[in-house]
Amino acid sequence: GQSLEQPSEVTAVEGAIVQINCTYQTSGFYGLSWYQQHDGGAPTFLSYNALDGLEETGRFSSFLSRSDSYGYLLLQELQMKDSASYFCAVREIGGFQKLVFGTGTRLLVSP
Amino acid sequence: GAVVSQHPSRVICKSGTSVKIECRSLDFQATTMFWYRQFPKQSLMLMATSNEGSKATYEQGVEKDKFLINHASLTLSTLTVTSAHPEDSSFYICSARDRLEGGELFFGEGSRLTVL
Repeated sequence: GQSLEQPSEVTAVEGAIVQINCTYQTSGFYGLSWYQQHDGGAPTFLSYNALDGLEETGRFSSFLSRSDSYGYLLLQELQMKDSASYFCAVREIGGFQKLVFGTGTRLLVSP
Repeated sequence: GAVVSQHPSRVICKSGTSVKIECRSLDFQATTMFWYRQFPKQSLMLMATSNEGSKATYEQGVEKDKFLINHASLTLSTLTVTSAHPEDSSFYICSARDRLEGGELFFGEGSRLTVL
């Protein structure tokens, strides 16, 4: 099975940089994804790491280290609209290639 | 990008009634769709995997007789919550995998079910 743990809540101020960690125990996966979800909305895809290392997409970067069973999402130049929940997720190898989500982190950005 | 439509977006029903939620892939074919349930301030929990033309595969602890899933075509999967109770009140989200585009996954907008 898969288990992905995240901090439950993170707070930061506008313009700051914040890192949301994801530690996992899995039986194998294709890659680590990150999703953003605003209250009442569907998750939206942010970033994907198939290989170890850093992936950068605008203000968002994501990192994966398979040897450490660890990844993170880095958000730079925080804006109020970044207040949302963030989930890491893995796509299982084999079978239906299910997407399994982490516990989720609620980010609150203050002025 | 590809669009997945869920309907209804919100539904309120009385305890004991059944509710059907539809998930449609609008511009691609999806042999596999996934149904998730999300309680307030919690993560998305996979309920079942829906495959076109075959029976759904349910996750451990999900009652297959209560949550009926039908995937009758390559663009439509339905989730029916039978004999709904207040504890079934939740946010239900579907996702569909595009069978042609490397298996990318697209999410519906979600359906908020409130059982009175």
